[in-house]
Amino acid sequence: QVQLVESGGGVVQAGRSLRLSCAASGFSFRDYAMHWVRQAPGKGLEWVAVIWYDGSNKYYADSVKGRFTISRDNSKNTLHLQMNSLGAEDTAVYYCARPCGTINCYVFDIWGQGTMVTVSS
Amino acid sequence: EMVMTQSPATLSVSPGERATLSCRASQSVSSNLAWYQQKPGQAPRLLIYGASTRATGIPARFSGSGSETEFTLTISSLQSEDFAVYYCQYYYNWPPMYIFGQGTNLEIK
Repeated sequence: QVQLVESGGGVVQAGRSLRLSCAASGFSFRDYAMHWVRQAPGKGLEWVAVIWYDGSNKYYADSVKGRFTISRDNSKNTLHLQMNSLGAEDTAVYYCARPCGTINCYVFDIWGQGTMVTVSS
Repeated sequence: EMVMTQSPATLSVSPGERATLSCRASQSVSSNLAWYQQKPGQAPRLLIYGASTRATGIPARFSGSGSETEFTLTISSLQSEDFAVYYCQYYYNWPPMYIFGQGTNLEIK
């Protein structure tokens, strides 16, 4: 079945880096743009980043621009999020999410289970 | 700056009754509005997109309406599994923009 599985979360000190991964299965990963969305403890959802299906374009929320890098490996059906200069405000569950279609679809119908990132001071 | 505001923050409704959740955009979003349901410890689930189109597998008791700046999610007869947090989301393709409301917690009365 269609599935997204995140990994790589954990506890990291402020100022350090962490790399998240999302393994996709059950669909043609290379045909879809992919997103990261995060949720701080007890808070709402915040979109983080998107990468085009072929990796040609990447866009970020202002809150992470210049610190986070989204990437993908279509040969391995894997999405990544490189997070640098982490701060307490980055503590959250990080979800990878797939849009509902390969073109002209901008809502997320498939989500992973999330991976928790805790930034400690 | 686009802001999505949901009301109320918490809504208490009895099972079998109707629930009406609101989402207001600070600027017109046309019909680029989606609704998600999230239960504790779970990822969000897409309910509605295009303001009023139900996603695949979503029961008919969920309906969305509205346009421009005012939107409503209605659950016609609440089932026990419907008590959750609901988020609205504005989406735009270029430049990419995805903005969530702060959520409405639908709880059992």
